[in-house]
Amino acid sequence: GAVVSQHPSRVICKSGTSVKIECRSLDFQATTMFWYRQFPKQSLMLMATSNEGSKATYEQGVEKDKFLINHASLTLSTLTVTSAHPEDSSFYICSAGGLANGNEQFFGPGTRLTVL
Amino acid sequence: QKEVEQDPGPLSVPEGAIVSLNCTYSNSAFQYFMWYRQYSRKGPELLMYTYSSGNKEDGRFTAQVDKSSKYISLFIRDSQPSDSATYLCAMIDSGAGSYQLTFGKGTKLSVIP
Repeated sequence: GAVVSQHPSRVICKSGTSVKIECRSLDFQATTMFWYRQFPKQSLMLMATSNEGSKATYEQGVEKDKFLINHASLTLSTLTVTSAHPEDSSFYICSAGGLANGNEQFFGPGTRLTVL
Repeated sequence: QKEVEQDPGPLSVPEGAIVSLNCTYSNSAFQYFMWYRQYSRKGPELLMYTYSSGNKEDGRFTAQVDKSSKYISLFIRDSQPSDSATYLCAMIDSGAGSYQLTFGKGTKLSVIP
């Protein structure tokens, strides 16, 4: 299957700072990327869907001004958690899909964010 | 009622047992059905991917979809300790025009040597 990477894999930050997480599709062009959040012992909750070159579509209850998503190229999407707070601590996972892959999504390894 | 229901377990079985994992769903528009395996602190990896009703087999894994009952299953034969993970079912409504997945909560499986 296709490979999706995420960076960093783990980040610890102070409350009030901003954190950027990168998601890259390494061997295919991802027309659509998804960002999920997963709390301990919970399933993946979709935060937003982004298509290359257009604004992201956020799920209900997700603050678009707090979770900034940029999908500037077919291989890179970034999620910036602005003014992070302890309640934002979670496991953030991206996935990527492309026309060549039908409806398959390939997941990154996740980024564990801890906000102190 | 949530769109996808999955018993979170945990489920413990002895090595070599046959494991049955299930999900039910309410949205009849779901057409693509997936099973993902997620190890602790890792991203999900796709195990099986089926379209509409029927069975699909891949090695020790068999996925079944019964759209009339809105019920999908994943069977693992000759289970191994390395199969210990959380298994998530996921579905796509292709008519929605996107690849958006709807996940179950996941079932945590432990295979005891």
